[in-house]
Amino acid sequence: GEDVEQSLFLSVREGDSSVINCTYTDSSSTYLYWYKQEPGAGLQLLTYIFSNMDMKQDQRLTVLLNKKDKHLSLRIADTQTGDSAIYFCAPVAPDTGRRALTFGSGTRLQVQP
Amino acid sequence: EAQVTQNPRYLITVTGKKLTVTCSQNMNHEYMSWYRQDPGLGLRQIYYSMNVEVTDKGDVPEGYKVSRKEKRNFPLILESPSPNQTSLYFCASSLRQVDGYTFGSGTRLTVV
Repeated sequence: GEDVEQSLFLSVREGDSSVINCTYTDSSSTYLYWYKQEPGAGLQLLTYIFSNMDMKQDQRLTVLLNKKDKHLSLRIADTQTGDSAIYFCAPVAPDTGRRALTFGSGTRLQVQP
Repeated sequence: EAQVTQNPRYLITVTGKKLTVTCSQNMNHEYMSWYRQDPGLGLRQIYYSMNVEVTDKGDVPEGYKVSRKEKRNFPLILESPSPNQTSLYFCASSLRQVDGYTFGSGTRLTVV
């Protein structure tokens, strides 16, 4: 099955850019999602990228995909204290009906004022 | 407001006492799923349902049951809870795969 690895912790200063990295193993992944989890809350879909894309930009968020290396990154520009949360990347294989997202352990982003 | 509603938010129970965690969505989504979240393990899929009366096992189904009698509801049943089922549980639903999932706020279950 799919394995997903993320670094556990990232600390940045407010106003800086944050880059959260993710590696995965299943090259057949068709969609790769980024979710955000704030304390005591569920997961919120931030953005996603199709496997046939290299980059996607959505306001302050930029997703880069290197399919050859199975590496995904999420860049947050002008990071704010409200961005402090746990971020999960979640690849999903072609829709077989199960649609199971494989989550890594998540990266805790701490934004210091 | 489009949402997935789970109840209860918090539950402490004793080993062996049957319990049900409810999940309801108001978006007319066909697909629903249950995940559990444990420290260091991320989220793992327990069961999923592609439509009414269609359910199947995820990665960690042991000790759990589900039912899907109507489109909006997808309860998670623990017939005989054990301490290793202490976890944070999330229900999720989706319309199309490209839409990702809408997650509930979670149910923190403690089994003593």
